[in-house]
Parts: sequence; C-alpha cells; structure tokens
Amino acid sequence: EVQLVQSGAEVKKPGESLRISCKGSGYKFTNYWIGWVRQMPGKGLEWMGIIYPDDSDSRYSPSFQGQVTISADKSISTAYLQWSGLKASDTAMYYCAKWREEGSYYYGMDVWGQGTTVTVSS
Amino acid sequence: QTVVTQETSFSVSPGGTVTLTCGLSSGSVSTSYYPSWYQQTPGQAPRTLIYSTNTRSSGVPDRFSGSILGNKAALTITGAQADDESDYYCVLYMGSGTVVFGGGTKLTVL
Repeated sequence: EVQLVQSGAEVKKPGESLRISCKGSGYKFTNYWIGWVRQMPGKGLEWMGIIYPDDSDSRYSPSFQGQVTISADKSISTAYLQWSGLKASDTAMYYCAKWREEGSYYYGMDVWGQGTTVTVSS
Repeated sequence: QTVVTQETSFSVSPGGTVTLTCGLSSGSVSTSYYPSWYQQTPGQAPRTLIYSTNTRSSGVPDRFSGSILGNKAALTITGAQADDESDYYCVLYMGSGTVVFGGGTKLTVL
C-alpha cells in the first residue's frame, strides 16, 4: 500500500526554525515528485512546491519561493518542508502529496499525507 | 499570477446532478492544463477524484465525472448523496512543474 506519513503537530514561537517531514512507503520514492500544500485555518488549499527526490530538482510557487525550503533524503524516503524564521502567518495545516505518474509532474496528486498542524504563537 | 476560479458555493438536492467549474482569470482551460479535482471533508486530508481532465482515481464512484465545458474544466456529480457534501478543489498545471489550486467550492447537499 502506498502511504505518506507525516510528522506530528508542532507549536513554535515567531522567529524559530522548523522542519516537518513526510515519509513515503510502498512505492519507489526516488521516481515520483512529491510536494507540499498549505491550508490556513478556515481557508482553501495552496500549492507550495514539489521536489523530485532522485536529483532534488525542485519547483516552487512564486508565493512561497524564498519563504520555505523543500528537500528530500532519498536514503530514508523522506521529504521535508523547512522554515528558517517562522511567522504567526505560517500557522496552518501542511499536507504532503505524491504526484501520480512516475517521473512526471503533469497528472496531479494521487496520495496524500495525513497533515501536520503548525502553530506559531508567542 | 493567473488566478484559478471556482464557484464559492453550490447546493444540490439528494439524487440531483450538479456541475462545478474551474476557470482562469485570463484565458480558457484546456486539456493541456491537466485539470484534476480533489474532495475534502472537514478535518480530513484531501482525496483525489479526477485527474487529466476526466480520468477517475482508483475507487472513485462513477457518479463523479470530469470534462471540459466551454472554456472551463468541470466536475459533474450525478445522483448526489449526502456524503458528497464537501469542499471541492480543482488544480491546473501552469507549466515548468508548477500548479495552482482553485479557491474551492463548498457543496451542500440538501
């Protein structure tokens, strides 16, 4: 069974750094793009960016470029989303999602993680 | 940046048919945008319904169908059921590996 399992909820203070994770299993992790989606409280889904674990090629939404870093460690089939200086406006649920077609970013997402809640408050 | 537009809300009667649409603030949606559709109920992760315009994801009932209608992508639910009451999001491929979500449609079944 293809699964994405995300790390647990986080509570942080403004200015702190954070890295959340998403571990893939049941498929060849290196060969599928994997990405992150933000959902602020009571709001819609926003695409943040994706990474191809085999070579760490990454693409970002202009809205998130420079605000977060997406990385992957293919040796442990895990993707990461990282902040170097959190803001209160980063408070949200974050989902990871696997792209459907091997080697392709055309066909959208097929499997989703369970989500990680990030709360940033002083 | 191009905005992907969806109806804010829609309602349908049980057993009825509803079509939700996904457009662009500028231009027309075609199959080249590889439209996909996702369902999300409160407190849950999204679930993939449709990809590449009209292909149902594994396990999705055939009452869900996708198409291009005029200059928009469309999701049609035929024979709506109570548990179809959810938020529905479309996603369009914008090139260079980037995609954009629509703002989502809140569907009420009553």
